[in-house]
Amino acid sequence: AQSVSQHNHHVILSEAASLELGCNYSYGGTVNLFWYVQYPGQHLQLLLKYFSGDPLVKGIKGFEAEFIKSKFSFNLRKPSVQWSDTAEYFCAVNAGGSSNTGKLIFGQGTTLQVKP
Amino acid sequence: DGGITQSPKYLFRKEGQNVTLSCEQNLNHDAMYWYRQDPGQGLRLIYYSQIVNDFQKGDIAEGYSVSREKKESFPLTVTSAQKTPTAFYLCASSLPRRTSGNTIYFGEGSWLTVV
Repeated sequence: AQSVSQHNHHVILSEAASLELGCNYSYGGTVNLFWYVQYPGQHLQLLLKYFSGDPLVKGIKGFEAEFIKSKFSFNLRKPSVQWSDTAEYFCAVNAGGSSNTGKLIFGQGTTLQVKP
Repeated sequence: DGGITQSPKYLFRKEGQNVTLSCEQNLNHDAMYWYRQDPGQGLRLIYYSQIVNDFQKGDIAEGYSVSREKKESFPLTVTSAQKTPTAFYLCASSLPRRTSGNTIYFGEGSWLTVV
């Protein structure tokens, strides 16, 4: 069965610090990978996604993530965080290719707090 | 505007009572989903439907029921068997699975509290 693990449950950073949130998944086949963000009081929004091709994907608001197949990882990064990045971040995976059923499996989420 | 509309945003349920959460989408998506978001556990899938008149149980389907009579609508009924006192419910939709790398889009969510 698929599973997703986010290592950091709560991260506190100062503005301008660099960010890396870990995400590992468990699945033997082709996968689609996603990072979603939920700002306080707002709905879940797609930050970036990987389906195929270049393993380094760039998303909105300066975020990027790198898919490392050998490590089953899809870590989220941002070189310099802002106070407005305070939010909860979710890594998610679904089976790719012909095995895709559409349903996403989510990690437990990481709460990021950026101090001004 | 295109999107996913959930209602009501806040709902209170008495013990022993069934309630229904509405989810409507005008994105022309075939697939729809219901997730429950619990603190520290991320989002867990309750039910999903890939096409009208068809749906499957997710990981935490006990105490819930759904219907999919129309493409744009996927209501979730929380029955008295569901014991979680307070939970946040998210409805989502996506293009058919055959579409390369389907992305799932979410509604704004509904809070349900048992009183």
